[in-house]
Amino acid sequence: GQNIDQPTEMTATEGAIVQINCTYQTSGFNGLFWYQQHAGEAPTFLSYNVLDGLEEKGRFSSFLSRSKGYSYLLLKELQMKDSASYLCAVTRGAAGNKLTFGGGTRVLVKP
Amino acid sequence: SAVISQKPSRDICQRGTSLTIQCQVDSQVTMMFWYRQQPGQSLTLIATANQGSEATYESGFVIDKFPISRPNLTFSTLTVSNMSPEDSSIYLCSVLSWATDTQYFGPGTRLTVL
Repeated sequence: GQNIDQPTEMTATEGAIVQINCTYQTSGFNGLFWYQQHAGEAPTFLSYNVLDGLEEKGRFSSFLSRSKGYSYLLLKELQMKDSASYLCAVTRGAAGNKLTFGGGTRVLVKP
Repeated sequence: SAVISQKPSRDICQRGTSLTIQCQVDSQVTMMFWYRQQPGQSLTLIATANQGSEATYESGFVIDKFPISRPNLTFSTLTVSNMSPEDSSIYLCSVLSWATDTQYFGPGTRLTVL
């Protein structure tokens, strides 16, 4: 079976840093995605990690440890527009393209 | 990334009826997916739709309830059949970009069943 865990909610202050953790237990793991979803909108792609390590993309960074079944998304210099849900998803299967999502983490950025 | 559109964007339907949701992509893609997002929940994969073959359904989803068509490489439909209030959800299609190995999502169809 698949098990993907993320915190339900996090609150942070504008300009601060927030780290969203994601742990997973899944067979046939290929890689891990992070998506951002604003209320009432579709998820938008943030990052994709296949190999261990940290990938930095502007204010957002994503880390993966395959041996520990662990990932995190780091949001720096938080802005009000970063208030959204952040979805962790793993790809599995022989073709590596089926996405299984965690429950999502709602981040609230306060002034 | 691909540009994906869905129709309708939202609908309110009566119990027992069916609704067909369309997904159109601006480029040819091999793999398309249909997801459901129930209120306050994350996304759940319903099925994978490949052109030229039958859709592959995930556990808990069956073809009689969610028939899918994939007539060409830019279009797919999902029908929600014999609807009940429990089917009230957002239904999203996504496409796989082989170039980036990434799935991109359409804007979703918000369905309310009374």
